[in-house]
Amino acid sequence: EAGVVQSPRYKIIEKKQPVAFWCNPISGHNTLYWYRQNLGQGPELLIRYENEEAVDDSQLPKDRFSAERLKGVDSTLKIQPAELGDSAVYLCASSLVGPGQGANEQFFGPGTRLTVL
Amino acid sequence: AQSVSQHNHHVILSEAASLELGCNYSYGGTVNLFWYVQYPGQHLQLLLKYFSGDPLVKGIKGFEAEFIKSKFSFNLRKPSVQWSDTAEYFCAVNGNNRLAFGKGNQVVVIP
Repeated sequence: EAGVVQSPRYKIIEKKQPVAFWCNPISGHNTLYWYRQNLGQGPELLIRYENEEAVDDSQLPKDRFSAERLKGVDSTLKIQPAELGDSAVYLCASSLVGPGQGANEQFFGPGTRLTVL
Repeated sequence: AQSVSQHNHHVILSEAASLELGCNYSYGGTVNLFWYVQYPGQHLQLLLKYFSGDPLVKGIKGFEAEFIKSKFSFNLRKPSVQWSDTAEYFCAVNGNNRLAFGKGNQVVVIP
């Protein structure tokens, strides 16, 4: 079974440029997460989707970040414009969460390492 | 919101030594607890989890963790480490449908 797929694996851009990350979750997983991991830190949740609905985006900096999960499968995360402080690893994870079940194991992709110059 | 504390960010030990990584969390409600591991060049993967039942949880590769509710702790242990256990270990706590990670422990096992 294929795991969570992310692309690109690495991205280097200049500040003020836009950038987008793509995630394909594990087939059948209804819940999708985007995390940001800064150097020396643990991942921090940006947004959580249940199917196509964003149910927790309170930690997403909405002035420059946006995300979508059309058709409840693939997802994209966009930054426009990027700032120097956005340099980090952006992780996508997916999970199968049943009705009334608060949480389950999350499966992580390899991440996209973003460098903003 | 919940928070997770992991101490001793860098741990260096020799093969066959015992390993214990501390994890403390702050959250007053029901929690689900996880330890994730990231081997060099690989992605995060689940080591073990606790949802309910026996507070002593066995995971993969000989790891175990004990949930002590009164201490808000979920410490990870392995009695005898191997060189292949060199990795970064993250404790994570799910409360209120949000997973919060600690800063991680970078563990280096010297052959």
